[in-house]
Amino acid sequence: DIQMTQSPSTLSASVGDRVTITCRASQNINRWLAWYQQKPGKAPNVIIYKASTLPGGVPSRFSGGGSGTEFTLTISSLQPDDFATYYCQQYYARSTTFGQGTKLEIE
Amino acid sequence: QVTLKESGPALVKPTQTLTLTCDFSGFSLSTSGMRMSWIRQPPGKALEWLARIDWDGDEFYSTSLQTRLTIAKDISKNQVFLTMTNVDPVDTATYYCVRMGLCGSDCSSGALWFDSWGQGILVTVSS
Repeated sequence: DIQMTQSPSTLSASVGDRVTITCRASQNINRWLAWYQQKPGKAPNVIIYKASTLPGGVPSRFSGGGSGTEFTLTISSLQPDDFATYYCQQYYARSTTFGQGTKLEIE
Repeated sequence: QVTLKESGPALVKPTQTLTLTCDFSGFSLSTSGMRMSWIRQPPGKALEWLARIDWDGDEFYSTSLQTRLTIAKDISKNQVFLTMTNVDPVDTATYYCVRMGLCGSDCSSGALWFDSWGQGILVTVSS
C-alpha cells in the first residue's frame, strides 16, 4: 500500500495566522489527493480533492498544492472554526490510504 | 440532499461476526459511476479504508483485511452492508459509511475521494 506521511503531527497557531500542512506519498500519486477536516466527535468533511480543487461551500482561505509525492494544505488566515484535525488521502491506488493526521491547535 | 446512516451492534464479543448496515438517501447506487465505501477510525487514531462497492457490482477490499470482510448492497432498499468475521478488540472503532466522489471524465484509475459521510457508529469489541 502507498504510505502517506503528514507533518507536523501537531501545529499550534493563532487566529489570523497562515499555516501549511505537508503530506508526502511513498510513491508518485500524480494529483490524486484529497484533504479532510475532522472536528471532535464528527465525521470528516472533504475540503480539497484532486490536490487543489475546493468543493462547493469550502471557504477560499483553504488552498491545496503539489503533485507527485509532495502536497500542501494552506489556510491563509486561520478562523476559530478551523481548529480541527486534518487528514490527507491518496486515491491513486485502488487501496486508498490516509495520512496519520495533523491536529491544528489554538496557541 | 445526500444522507447516510449506519446501524448495527454497539458491542460485539471477540471471534463473533459483525454486520453493519448503511441506509442512504439522495442518490441511487444503481447510477453509473456511483461508488460507496466503509471506513473506520479507532478511538484517537487515523482513518482506515475497509471496502468499496460500485454501481456495477464490483467489490474491492483493504489488503490487510480482505479475508475477513464482505461488502454488499440492496439497490431496492438503498442499503449497503459490511460484514466482518472473527472480530478482535483491535477492531474497536467508529465505522463510517461513505459515498465516493463523482469524477465525471476526470477519474483516477484507482479510487476516489469521499464526498459524503454518515455520522458513524462506535463498535466496541470486548468480552
